[in-house]
Amino acid sequence: GAVVSQHPSWVICKSGTSVKIECRSLDFQATTMFWYRQFPKQSLMLMATSNEGSKATYEQGVEKDKFLINHASLTLSTLTVTSAHPEDSSFYICSARDRRDGETQYFGPGTRLLVL
Amino acid sequence: KNEVEQSPQNLTAQEGEFITINCSYSVGISALHWLQQHPGGGIVSLFMLSSGKKKHGRLIATINIQEKHSSLHITASHPRDSAVYICAPSGTYKYIFGTGTRLKVLA
Repeated sequence: GAVVSQHPSWVICKSGTSVKIECRSLDFQATTMFWYRQFPKQSLMLMATSNEGSKATYEQGVEKDKFLINHASLTLSTLTVTSAHPEDSSFYICSARDRRDGETQYFGPGTRLLVL
Repeated sequence: KNEVEQSPQNLTAQEGEFITINCSYSVGISALHWLQQHPGGGIVSLFMLSSGKKKHGRLIATINIQEKHSSLHITASHPRDSAVYICAPSGTYKYIFGTGTRLKVLA
């Protein structure tokens, strides 16, 4: 149980385009989902916390207009990187908290984004 | 000083060795998590601890709340244990990530 999927697993796009990444909890309801980015050989950095049915809470320094987050249902959150630039190239990981399971987060497999 | 410190940062071991990874934190927490990140990037939750000790297969995790310290032990290490191990204390549902310990187990 507690499986989280992400789609796509990798994406290459041209500078200036927008990219949408989906995060789904497959067998549980996730009232809270988290979006992280990770640069090579670095730790995960929390970008935002996404609560179902409400606006996401962004961490300091993360542009909310650049990284649009929608959590429209208990099993789906999306991250849209708008007008992507090469510096947005990174590994994006989502996680979901099963409200029955306390503080444990279940992580998706990640999405590698390369902006040319 | 980081809120979460892990040691060692890198570790190479021979197959079969007993491995210990340490984590010290300076923040108040409600739980501490040990995560395993595979070379492909996927992250698996190994343990969530709020006190004492937990064991799962060859993995053992301990925590001392008073000393703000946790350890992850791997017995009879195997090349498939090669990964990055991340200590992540949590409070109010947010994880605070350590820098990770990169483990390589040689056959």
